[in-house]
Amino acid sequence: EAQVTQNPRYLITVTGKKLTVTCSQNMNHEYMSWYRQDPGLGLRQIYYSMNVEVTDKGDVPEGYKVSRKEKRNFPLILESPSPNQTSLYFCASSFYGGLGNEQFFGPGTRLTVL
Amino acid sequence: ELKVEQNPLFLSMQEGKNYTIYCNYSTTSDRLYWYRQDPGKSLESLFVLLSNGAVKQEGRLMASLDTKARLSTLHITAAVHDPSATYFCAVDHNNNNDMRFGAGTRLTVKP
Repeated sequence: EAQVTQNPRYLITVTGKKLTVTCSQNMNHEYMSWYRQDPGLGLRQIYYSMNVEVTDKGDVPEGYKVSRKEKRNFPLILESPSPNQTSLYFCASSFYGGLGNEQFFGPGTRLTVL
Repeated sequence: ELKVEQNPLFLSMQEGKNYTIYCNYSTTSDRLYWYRQDPGKSLESLFVLLSNGAVKQEGRLMASLDTKARLSTLHITAAVHDPSATYFCAVDHNNNNDMRFGAGTRLTVKP
């Protein structure tokens, strides 16, 4: 089944404790992206990647890191989480190049930073 | 900087009536997407609009794009069995998958 998976789905942590949220897709998509969703703000893009070893900042990259060592994986790293990073996070993927590349979203990761 | 504005943000619909969600964006782009999110769920793609004048329809939903006006509309005919959902438009900034989303329009249907 074609899908984007994220782990963990729920996470409660404390300020300053490094964490990684994994994202994996099995559709051979070149493009992957991370978003955070906060009430009233829609989705805001954190980082995106157009292919292996190619990443770029989105709208709200501060406090986050990403890496793209393999095509299928795009982990999101919070080196020193803070309470303002409490949010719902979505990973998405799509083909890149050409037109009309609708994104496929993962199930989401709800993160709480105390 | 690209800004994407949706309105209304909330819509309480009556069965059988037609409603429109507007999506305005501030810079040139010819790729616009509509997504739907059910409560507690992820987003699913509804429409991809790629050129001026593009119109797409599926069931009781119809989306259009006017790139000159920088406006997309999503028309919905409400049905009583429609669950609450939030609809988002998204614009491809610079046409390189650098996406900007609207704040979302939350729909509910009155029986």
